[in-house]
Amino acid sequence: EVQLLESGGGLVQPGGSLRLSCAASGFTFSSYAMSWVRQAPGKGLEWVSVISGGGDSTYYADSVKGRFTISRDNSKNTLYLQMNSLRAEDTAVYYCAKEKMAAAQEAYYFDYWGQGTLVTVSS
Amino acid sequence: QSALTQPASVSGSPGQSITISCTGTSSDVGGYNYVSWYQQHPGKAPKLMISEVSNRPSGVSNRFSGSKSGNTASLTISGLQAEDESDYYCSSCTSTYTLVFGTGTKVTVL
Repeated sequence: EVQLLESGGGLVQPGGSLRLSCAASGFTFSSYAMSWVRQAPGKGLEWVSVISGGGDSTYYADSVKGRFTISRDNSKNTLYLQMNSLRAEDTAVYYCAKEKMAAAQEAYYFDYWGQGTLVTVSS
Repeated sequence: QSALTQPASVSGSPGQSITISCTGTSSDVGGYNYVSWYQQHPGKAPKLMISEVSNRPSGVSNRFSGSKSGNTASLTISGLQAEDESDYYCSSCTSTYTLVFGTGTKVTVL
């Protein structure tokens, strides 16, 4: 059974940093691209970033480019999102999501999602 | 990276059919057959309902179907049921190797 478990969310001040983790199990982690998707309270879904299965290819939404860094440790089956220079508008539930197509280098569509972790940026 | 345009709300009576549109550009919806649809109940993670315009994953009811014409994709729910009341989002890959979601549609079963 595929499981994705996010952690690391919490309250952080504007300008601060936070690292999210997503522990994966139930599939060959290194074979699939992984994405982060966020959802601000009461708002719609926003794709944030994707990393290829091998970790050599990454892409970001313009809203986070230069501030967020996606990475993965395939030996630990874990996905990360390092978030720096956080702003109030980054407040959201952050989901990690598994790409459905094996060997995809970018984000196409997701067959499994985690339960999400809430990040609140406020003073 | 502008969000794809969806109607804010669509409603229908039980048993009826409804269609949700998703309008983008030739750089996303119109340029690729990687339009997907997700269902999201309040407080829950999204669930994949349709991939690659019209493919239905195993376990998804055949009452859900997808199509695309030009820069607009559509999700049709036939035989509307109370359990279909939810938020629905489309998504598409883009020419800049990113992914974009739609603005979301709240489906109400009257």
